[in-house]
Formats: sequence, C-alpha cells, structure tokens
Amino acid sequence: GNSVTQMEGPVTLSEEAFLTINCTYTATGYPSLFWYVQYPGEGLQLLLKATKADDKGSNKGFEATYRKETTSFHLEKGSVQVSDSAVYFCALSDRGSGTYKYIFGTGTRLKVLA
Amino acid sequence: EPEVTQTPSHQVTQMGQEVILRCVPISNHLYFYWYRQILGQKVEFLVSFYNNEISEKSEIFDDQFSVERPDGSNFTLKIRSTKLEDSAMYFCASSQSRESNQPQHFGDGTRLSIL
Repeated sequence: GNSVTQMEGPVTLSEEAFLTINCTYTATGYPSLFWYVQYPGEGLQLLLKATKADDKGSNKGFEATYRKETTSFHLEKGSVQVSDSAVYFCALSDRGSGTYKYIFGTGTRLKVLA
Repeated sequence: EPEVTQTPSHQVTQMGQEVILRCVPISNHLYFYWYRQILGQKVEFLVSFYNNEISEKSEIFDDQFSVERPDGSNFTLKIRSTKLEDSAMYFCASSQSRESNQPQHFGDGTRLSIL
C-alpha cells in the first residue's frame, strides 16, 4: 500500500540556520502531497501542498517540490526562527472508496535555539 | 478564518465506559474524517463520512467505534467500551470536496486517556 517515510527527529538548529526535512513516499498513481505543522498543544495546520509532479508548494518561507522521479517532497526553509519549533508531518492523499484519506509520516520534531 | 472545533480538549474515562468525542466541522464542508495519534506514533486514519454514511474505514475502526452526524453541525465519534489502547489524541478533520488536491482542515484534537 501507499506509505510516507520521514526523517527521524528531533532536529535541533540554531536560529537562521538552513532547514531540510526529508520525506519520501510510495504510491500508485499520482497523489497530492502535503506538509502539516503541529505547534505545541495545537492541532495539525496545513503548511503547504503540491498536487502534481514538479509543483512547488510554499508558505511562510517554507518550500517543498513534488519530485516524481525521486518520489520525494522534502521540506526546506532558508532561515529558521525560534517560532518554527514544532512537529512537521508529511502526508499524501490516498484514494479510498470514494474519498481521499491522508497517510502521514511519523512526524519530525524541530527545535530552534536562539 | 473558519476552523474545525473539537470538544472536550481532554477526556479521562474508566476502561469499559463509553465515550463520545465531538467535532464541529467547517460549515460549508461536506466530507468529515477522524484520525488518531497514539503518543509517539504516527497519525492514523480511522474513518471518513459523507452524505450521512461512512465512506471508508480502517482496520482500527472496529465494532466498538461509530460515527454520527446528529444534526447539521456536529460530527461525533463514539467508542462503546473503551480499552486502555484507545488512549490517544483524536483529530477530526473536514474538507469541502473529495478531490485529492483539496486539503483537509484539522481540529486541535481531543486527548483521550483511559484508566
């Protein structure tokens, strides 16, 4: 079946460092891909999405490009802030019986130090 | 911006008791979902719901679970006889359409603790 693999955390960076969180997927067909962020004590918030190959999703300085050839959707940010500390989830939409459910990765905790 | 709201934020229940988790999806959304996240594990799909019936359910969603949309706004998840392993964070989500590219909007979750 379809699956998502994320790099293990936690990832600890200094403020203004470059961030990469790796995400690869296995899927039949052409799923849409998403990054969600979970701040402490809160729910899952959509960060960005890409719906077809070579699409780049971007939001709040974060970017991810849908790479079909490497089945990847790595999350990047050029300069992280303390406020970016959160858990980041990669997800794909999986066609079920009439609706799309999400398959999530395990989540990667990011801690940014001042 | 409209949001999905879930109540309660934390529920503590004795094993074997019934529990109902409540969700108010975004008002113009038609598709509803429940997911759960056991502590330290990944977020897992439980069930999707549309037009007053279940569209899909996972292996986790056994006979102890049920969902209902009792009125025009609420969407509930009931666990009939809770077990210790039901302890988890439960997330409700909704989406406007069932298209792959339409994002699901999540609530803040209900933390369920079974004693």
